Amino acid sequence: GAVVSQHPSWVICKSGTSVKIECRSLDFQATTMFWYRQFPKQSLMLMATSNEGSKATYEQGVEKDKFLINHASLTLSTLTVTSAHPEDSSFYICSASLLTGQSYEQYFGPGTRLTVT
Amino acid sequence: GQSLEQPSEVTAVEGAIVQINCTYQTSGFYGLSWYQQHDGGAPTFLSYNALDGLEETGRFSSFLSRSDSYGYLLLQELQMKDSASYFCAVGQGNKLTFGGGTRVLVKP
Repeated sequence: GAVVSQHPSWVICKSGTSVKIECRSLDFQATTMFWYRQFPKQSLMLMATSNEGSKATYEQGVEKDKFLINHASLTLSTLTVTSAHPEDSSFYICSASLLTGQSYEQYFGPGTRLTVT
Repeated sequence: GQSLEQPSEVTAVEGAIVQINCTYQTSGFYGLSWYQQHDGGAPTFLSYNALDGLEETGRFSSFLSRSDSYGYLLLQELQMKDSASYFCAVGQGNKLTFGGGTRVLVKP
């Protein structure tokens, strides 16, 4: 159980265009999802916390007007990279948390590799 | 804020044992988690320690000492498929902050 999917798995877009990435929890309801960004051979950097039915909470330094997050249902969160530039090229990963008793784990989607030309 | 330190790379041979250390500084602590990530793939959850001591899950074990702000992941009977990056992460509320990752290379 606890499967998270992402779509698309990879996307190439031209500079100045917008790209939407979908994150779905397939077999559970996720009231909270997270969006991360990862550059090659680097760690995961949390961009924002997405709560169903409310505005996302962005980490310091992340432009909320550039990275639009919508969490319209308990199984879907979307990240839209607006006016993309080559420096936005990265691996974007979403996750959903399951807090069960003593366990603290997040289930990650397979990631979306964005290349902006 | 939070910061986590772990070695950048470890190389070992098949069958060996590898220990990946993680030291952390946090304001508020809800536990130490470990994740594995193969190149191009998604991180997968390995283990979680909320209390001091050793947690064993098959060939992998994780240890936590809250008084020392220190933990480690122990990989035993290394296999080629264990070549991956391993991240420690601390939880605060429902958020995770990840360490820089340790790249483990297993050689025949």
